[in-house]
Amino acid sequence: NAGVMQNPRHLVRRRGQEARLRCSPMKGHSHVYWYRQLPEEGLKFMVYLQKENIIDESGMPKERFSAEFPKEGPSILRIQQVVRGDSAAYFCASSPDRGPYGYTFGSGTRLTVV
Amino acid sequence: GDSVTQMEGPVTLSEEAFLTINCTYTATGYPSLFWYVQYPGEGLQLLLKATKADDKGSNKGFEATYRKETTSFHLEKGSVQVSDSAVYFCALHNSGGYQKVTFGTGTKLQVIP
Repeated sequence: NAGVMQNPRHLVRRRGQEARLRCSPMKGHSHVYWYRQLPEEGLKFMVYLQKENIIDESGMPKERFSAEFPKEGPSILRIQQVVRGDSAAYFCASSPDRGPYGYTFGSGTRLTVV
Repeated sequence: GDSVTQMEGPVTLSEEAFLTINCTYTATGYPSLFWYVQYPGEGLQLLLKATKADDKGSNKGFEATYRKETTSFHLEKGSVQVSDSAVYFCALHNSGGYQKVTFGTGTKLQVIP
């Protein structure tokens, strides 16, 4: 049973390009969460999704960032017109239905904007 | 809202020393508490958890006890090893809502031989 799969592992984009980060949750998990970790900082919540629904996007910047979790396929975090300040590690986590469970994390995508 | 406060790092210890990383929380209701560990270049791994007051979570020699009266969940290990060098995150999940987990800022531990 594969864990949470994120790809790519490393992504380099020039300023103004688009970045697409993918996350496949663990089998049987229907809840997906995206976090951002800036260098030497903790994890900041970005967005929480269930299949085809955004439940909480209170941590997402209002512009340039979007997320989806379609009925089929992985969850996608999309950053348009990237800037240097978007350089960070982006982690995806998944969990099963409601319960006192901790997350299972992916290994992250390290985005570098040059 | 919910919040988690961890002692600031980095913490540097010699091998076989005793480790304590303090964690306190603020939350409504009855949260579950977690410690996660992040090794260099990797994602977070669940280290241990406790789901109600006075529960003790333990794993790989690490322990933490859920203290409701002091709203704390301090991480301890009796004898650290070089391989324990990592960043440790305290976190809570509030059962009153959905499964959003709130993390502390992390404490970097460096163990030297």
